[in-house]
Amino acid sequence: GQSLEQPSEVTAVEGAIVQINCTYQTSGFYGLSWYQQHDGGAPTFLSYNALDGLEETGRFSSFLSRSDSYGYLLLQELQMKDSASYFCAVRLTDSWGKLQFGAGTQVVVTP
Amino acid sequence: NAGVTQTPKFRVLKTGQSMTLLCAQDMNHEYMYWYRQDPGMGLRLIHYSVGEGTTAKGEVPDGYNVSRLKKQNFLLGLESAAPSQTSVYFCASSYAGSYNEQFFGPGTRLTVL
Repeated sequence: GQSLEQPSEVTAVEGAIVQINCTYQTSGFYGLSWYQQHDGGAPTFLSYNALDGLEETGRFSSFLSRSDSYGYLLLQELQMKDSASYFCAVRLTDSWGKLQFGAGTQVVVTP
Repeated sequence: NAGVTQTPKFRVLKTGQSMTLLCAQDMNHEYMYWYRQDPGMGLRLIHYSVGEGTTAKGEVPDGYNVSRLKKQNFLLGLESAAPSQTSVYFCASSYAGSYNEQFFGPGTRLTVL
């Protein structure tokens, strides 16, 4: 079946930069979203890329290449509060109204 | 503005019991969703609704039923709970045109013994 692939865990130190990749095998999708979830909390929306290219929001940036079915979330100047799980989600052209989520990447920030 | 709220926050059931999870949103969103989250498996869509009175199946609908009688409420029912339904359940809502941005409730942690 269709699936999104992202690394299960990434560890980095405070102040570093982390890139979380997300790849998807599909004939077409509208765009890629990213969500953050702290332990025990609800997922919260971070960004959405409808078009190819880089979107920047403060310390976080997201990139999409629709032709490659590939995107990434870039976390810069890591802070301890960035320790969380990050999920990519695709908006598919053949399933209006719903997203398909990846399994998530746990980011661990160490002092 | 409470956003998305879920009731209850925690529940323990015995196998075969039934229960209903309630989701409410005050943002006038058209779309509402029920997900389950299990360790290492991300968010899996159970059922969703694109408007009052309409529902559709998601990725893992078996064993669950839903109803959306009012725009602001989305109910998830378990008719005969099974241990495999032990999970954290999240409700979410979104505007129709921008369902890439979903707003999630705090979750319900359900244990079925």
